[in-house]
Amino acid sequence: AQSVTQPDIHITVSEGASLELRCNYSYGATPYLFWYVQSPGQGLQLLLKYFSGDTLVQGIKGFEAEFKRSQSSFNLRKPSVHWSDAAEYFCAGAYNNNDMRFGAGTRLTVKP
Amino acid sequence: NAGVTQTPKFRVLKTGQSMTLLCAQDMNHEYMYWYRQDPGMGLRLIHYSVGEGTTAKGEVPDGYNVSRLKKQNFLLGLESAAPSQTSVYFCASSPPGYEQYFGPGTRLTVT
Repeated sequence: AQSVTQPDIHITVSEGASLELRCNYSYGATPYLFWYVQSPGQGLQLLLKYFSGDTLVQGIKGFEAEFKRSQSSFNLRKPSVHWSDAAEYFCAGAYNNNDMRFGAGTRLTVKP
Repeated sequence: NAGVTQTPKFRVLKTGQSMTLLCAQDMNHEYMYWYRQDPGMGLRLIHYSVGEGTTAKGEVPDGYNVSRLKKQNFLLGLESAAPSQTSVYFCASSPPGYEQYFGPGTRLTVT
């Protein structure tokens, strides 16, 4: 079955430290891949997406993600975390508009 | 340009009551979706629509109905609410290019 897995439920990093959030997908072929961020009480906002081509994808707010076919992974990274990055992050995959599957989410806490 | 809006923001229902959640988008998107978000489970698709007058079932459709009478609106109905339907409901819309735009959510509690 198609699925997206985020192995880390909760991650805490210090402000200014680097960040990597993990995402693994299980699909028959490479799906379209997305990272969304959800601030408390808000809807989801798209950070970046991968459809094809360059495996290093740049997004908004200084985030980037790297697609690795050999590892079925699409990990999100940021070189230096800001306190405002504290939120919940969701990885998602889809073959088409109507079947987007979300991971369970990773909650990020930023220590001052 | 308000994007995707949802009404109401919060609601408490008693078991067996009915209600309708309204989603509206002003981006002229063809596709619209209803998701529910539960702790530790991410978002799961309830129903979706690929155009005015069309709807289809998603991953968890049982206990819900939807209608898309106008392109800009997508309604989610609960005919007889159950405690298992306590959740946060998100509406989203998209053009045919996969990027979905989400509303702020509706927090529903069924007692």
